[in-house]
Order: sequence, then structure tokens, then C-alpha cells
Amino acid sequence: EPEVTQTPSHQVTQMGQEVILRCVPISNHLYFYWYRQILGQKVEFLVSFYNNEISEKSEIFDDQFSVERPDGSNFTLKIRSTKLEDSAMYFCASSEATVEQFFGPGTRLTVL
Amino acid sequence: GNSVTQMEGPVTLSEEAFLTINCTYTATGYPSLFWYVQYPGEGLQLLLKATKADDKGSNKGFEATYRKETTSFHLEKGSVQVSDSAVYFCALVPSLYSGGGADGLTFGKGTHLIIQP
Repeated sequence: EPEVTQTPSHQVTQMGQEVILRCVPISNHLYFYWYRQILGQKVEFLVSFYNNEISEKSEIFDDQFSVERPDGSNFTLKIRSTKLEDSAMYFCASSEATVEQFFGPGTRLTVL
Repeated sequence: GNSVTQMEGPVTLSEEAFLTINCTYTATGYPSLFWYVQYPGEGLQLLLKATKADDKGSNKGFEATYRKETTSFHLEKGSVQVSDSAVYFCALVPSLYSGGGADGLTFGKGTHLIIQP
């Protein structure tokens, strides 16, 4: 069964450093998403991506965040200058249409 | 804006007990509704969904009915097992027909379910 994959599973970084989180969506899906879940809190939408551009973004997705689909298979989330409060689990998701989203296993980001 | 409210846990039950986790929502139009489950140390898995009023989603013995009149999507299971212990999230996405497009899911805070043998 096709699935969304994410790498790395755990990323540790120093405050102020740039990180790139990687995702490989399901191959025939057209919509891609990033969410985050701060420990013990609810899952929050960050951004959606369709046809090589951002479709929607939340208030959380400020100028320090960016997304890219560099090679037609990967979908990346970049955080330019990490802050302590960026520590969270980051989930990638993809969907074929716009209803059912399939989630990856997540990347745990720890900012020290 | 859209929002989802679900009962907070932890909810602790004995094996074979009846389960209800309440979920209500606020949204314009006709959103699609979902229950996702997160097992310890894992990501989110879609448990069931309903895309229009009076639809019943079901999977693995779990059921939820889309009630537009009460804006609710309560999760039920007749006889829970220890393996059902997890965090359950109710979520919605705006209607496809009101420009939902690539809108992200709006999640509730999650309900931690603990089933004791």
C-alpha cells in the first residue's frame, strides 16, 4: 500500500540554524500539506501546496518557513532560523483530491 | 473561522466497555468530517470519515454519524479492546463546493483513550 514517508525521523538542531524536513508524498497525489504538533497539543495546519505553489497557509507559517517541491517527488519544509518554540513533531500529508489526507510518520524536531 | 471541540481526556475504560467520544464543530457550509487515531510513537491514521449530512463512517468497529442539526460527529464503539488505547482526533475540512480546495484540516485537541484489561 502506498504511503507518505518522511526523513529524518528525528532532527536535533541549535537555535538559529536552518533545517530542512523532507517528505515523499504518495506518487499520484496532487495536494501536499505540512502540519505541526507541539508536544501534548493539537495538530495545527501550516501550509498546503498545489500545482507548484502555496495554496493556503496559516498564521503560523511566517517568513521563516518555506516549502518547495524540488524534483517532482520530494516535498520539503525549510525553517530558516529555528527558535526554541519550533520544537515539535512535523507531519507531511498528501491527498489525491481534497478530502482524504494521508499522513506520514512525522519528523520530531528538537531545537536546543 | 472553523473549529472543532472534543471531550478532553484521558478517558479510561475497561475492556469490552462501550465508548463514546464527543465531537462538535463550527464551520460554514458542509464540511467533511474525520476521525484520526494516533497510537503511541506513531503518526496520524485516518480511522473514518463522512462527507455529507447523515453519512455514517465506520471502520474497525468504530462508527460516527454526521449530524448537521447538532453539528456533531461523535465516535462510538460497542466493545473496546486494550489495543484501542490511543489518542483520537476529530477533524474537519471545508466543503469542496465552497472553495475548500487545498484547505488544511482543522483538528480538535485530541482525546487520550486508555483501555484497561
